[in-house]
Amino acid sequence: GAGVSQSPRYKVAKRGQDVALRCDPISGHVSLFWYQQALGQGPEFLTYFQNEAQLDKSGLPSDRFFAERPEGSVSTLKIQRTQQEDSAVYLCASSLGIGNTEAFFGQGTRLTVV
Amino acid sequence: QQPVQSPQAVILREGEDAVINCSSSKALYSVHWYRQKHGEAPVFLMILLKGGEQKGHEKISASFNEKKQQSSLYLTASQLSYSGTYFCGTAGYGGSNYKLTFGKGTLLTVNP
Repeated sequence: GAGVSQSPRYKVAKRGQDVALRCDPISGHVSLFWYQQALGQGPEFLTYFQNEAQLDKSGLPSDRFFAERPEGSVSTLKIQRTQQEDSAVYLCASSLGIGNTEAFFGQGTRLTVV
Repeated sequence: QQPVQSPQAVILREGEDAVINCSSSKALYSVHWYRQKHGEAPVFLMILLKGGEQKGHEKISASFNEKKQQSSLYLTASQLSYSGTYFCGTAGYGGSNYKLTFGKGTLLTVNP
């Protein structure tokens, strides 16, 4: 596709359940980012990949959050034992270059933990 | 630290102008501007880099005052399609200048 694709668009999880959120970046994009966006707030940085290497995971809220990009393209954000405070929109973004360049965002996955 | 955006919200009539400000307490390497419509992906508008380099599109311009650690987004002759929430994202110096810290957003509504 032409843009960044995320799936599922919506996910309802029972508290304690594990979830996996998928991101298909634009083909050839080296950099991939995950952000968390709470209602009425700006996106908040979670983690950054350069190709398959996770160079920064400083924004992951706890060790229940795990991200991977094993082949340098598709990425998965996994949340174990979900809690209510994990409810948010999870945005993925990719960019062609390394570092400080234009990033293209996906529509996000809205996670609701009940 | 999170940049501060002002105003929080603004309502315009089509054809009017608006300015959205973004202020940071830390030295900035770059400022990125995005617009997000409800339920949609943030869309890139502009990037302003130290030294004055500017990239963007549409009839929107921006300024970056490095000394004051501020940026402003200028929307002239607004169109209905300009409605949405505008976010500035800032990056500091150093090895992590890929990491953007976003403000809380400015909700812009353009009415006919």
